[in-house]
Amino acid sequence: AQSVTQPDIHITVSEGASLELRCNYSYGATPYLFWYVQSPGQGLQLLLKYFSGDTLVQGIKGFEAEFKRSQSSFNLRKPSVHWSDAAEYFCAVGAGLTGGGNKLTFGTGTQLKVEL
Amino acid sequence: DAGVTQSPTHLIKTRGQQVTLRCSPKSGHDTVSWYQQALGQGPQFIFQYYEEEERQRGNFPDRFSGHQFPNYSSELNVNALLLGDSALYLCASSLGHQGETQYFGPGTRLLVL
Repeated sequence: AQSVTQPDIHITVSEGASLELRCNYSYGATPYLFWYVQSPGQGLQLLLKYFSGDTLVQGIKGFEAEFKRSQSSFNLRKPSVHWSDAAEYFCAVGAGLTGGGNKLTFGTGTQLKVEL
Repeated sequence: DAGVTQSPTHLIKTRGQQVTLRCSPKSGHDTVSWYQQALGQGPQFIFQYYEEEERQRGNFPDRFSGHQFPNYSSELNVNALLLGDSALYLCASSLGHQGETQYFGPGTRLLVL
């Protein structure tokens, strides 16, 4: 069974500082990995995804993530955080094109607070 | 290009009642998945519909059922509501049902009293 762990429930950073949100996954085959962001009372917006190929993927809003198979990790990074980045961030794993359907398994999320 | 839309945005029901939530997928998408997000939690997969059939199901009781229409829109029905069904219900659509990227709607907030 697939699972996702986001070890940090809350993170506070100063505006302009760098950011790294951690994500560890468990899946038997090559996973599809996603990061979504959710503002209060809103749905989920896709930030970036990894299916295959280059292990460093670029997303929207200046975010990037690196897939490390040896560490079963897919950490999200941003070099300089803006106050508007304050939100909840979810990492998710999918079964990909292995006949596993579209089911996404999400972590419990990391709440990001940005101090001005 | 219209994104995923859901209705209603908010809903209040009492225990034992039944509720129907609706979802229209992003233009060009043919697959709809439903997720339940309890307060402070990540979304949990309920089920997926493709070609008007339920293709995959998460660990939810039979009180949760759904339907997909020929125009790809979908409904989620929950019978015999429990207090624990209070949550944000998210609909996601994709083109294809084998791992393609899913795009989420704004959700329906259900409160069961």
